[in-house]
Amino acid sequence: EVRLLESGGGLVQPGGSLRLSCAASGFTFSSYAMSWVRQAPGKGLAWVSSISGIDGGTYYADSVKGRFTISRDNSRNTLFLQMNSLSVEDAAVYYCARHLYGDVEAWGQGTLVTVSS
Amino acid sequence: DVVMTQSPLSLPVTLGQPASISCRSSQSLVYSDGNTYLNWFQQRPGQSPRRLIYKVSNRDSGVPDRFSGSGSGTDFTLKISRVEAEDVGVYYCMQGTHLPRTFGQGTKVEIK
Repeated sequence: EVRLLESGGGLVQPGGSLRLSCAASGFTFSSYAMSWVRQAPGKGLAWVSSISGIDGGTYYADSVKGRFTISRDNSRNTLFLQMNSLSVEDAAVYYCARHLYGDVEAWGQGTLVTVSS
Repeated sequence: DVVMTQSPLSLPVTLGQPASISCRSSQSLVYSDGNTYLNWFQQRPGQSPRRLIYKVSNRDSGVPDRFSGSGSGTDFTLKISRVEAEDVGVYYCMQGTHLPRTFGQGTKVEIK
C-alpha cells in the first residue's frame, strides 16, 4: 500500500522558514517523480513544485521560485520542501503526492502551514 | 499559464441520477509525446484529494466504473452515471501537459 506521511508544518512568522518532510513507503521511492501541492483554507488546489525520480530535475511555480527548494533523499525514502521568506499567502495545507502515468496520483494527508505574526 | 475553467461550480444532483462536469483549457493539452495529460480528482469533505481519471479517460485503480472521462484538445468532461451518496465532494480537473501544472476552480457536488 502506498503511504505518504507529511510532517514539519506549524506556525511561523512572516519572513520565517520551515522545512516540510514526506516519508514514503509501500513503493520504490526512487523510481517515481514527486510533487508538492497546496490548498489554502477554503480554497482550491495549487501546484507548488515537482522533482523527477530519474535525474532529480526540479520545477517550481512562479509564486515560490527562489524561495522554496524541493529535494529528495532516496536512501531515506523522503521528500522535502524547504520554504524560506514565507508570507501570509503561503499559508495552506501542503500535500506531497506521487506521480503515476504522467501525473500526481497518490496523496498524503497533508501538513498545515500557518503564517502569522 | 494554462487556465482551466470548470463548469458548473456547484452541482446539486439527485441520488441515482447522472452528473456531468465540464473542464476547458486555454491551450491545447496535447503533449509532444501524443498524450493528453488531463486528470480528474475528487476531494471528499475533510479528506485529501484522490485521483479518479488520468490522461483524459483512464480510471485509476479502485475507481468505480460509474466515473468516466472524455474529451480532447481543450474540452473535457467528467461524468458520473448514477450519483451515490459517497460521491459528495469537490471535483477538480488538472492539466499536466504544460508547466506550471494548473487546476480548475473545483466543482462542488452535493445531493439535492
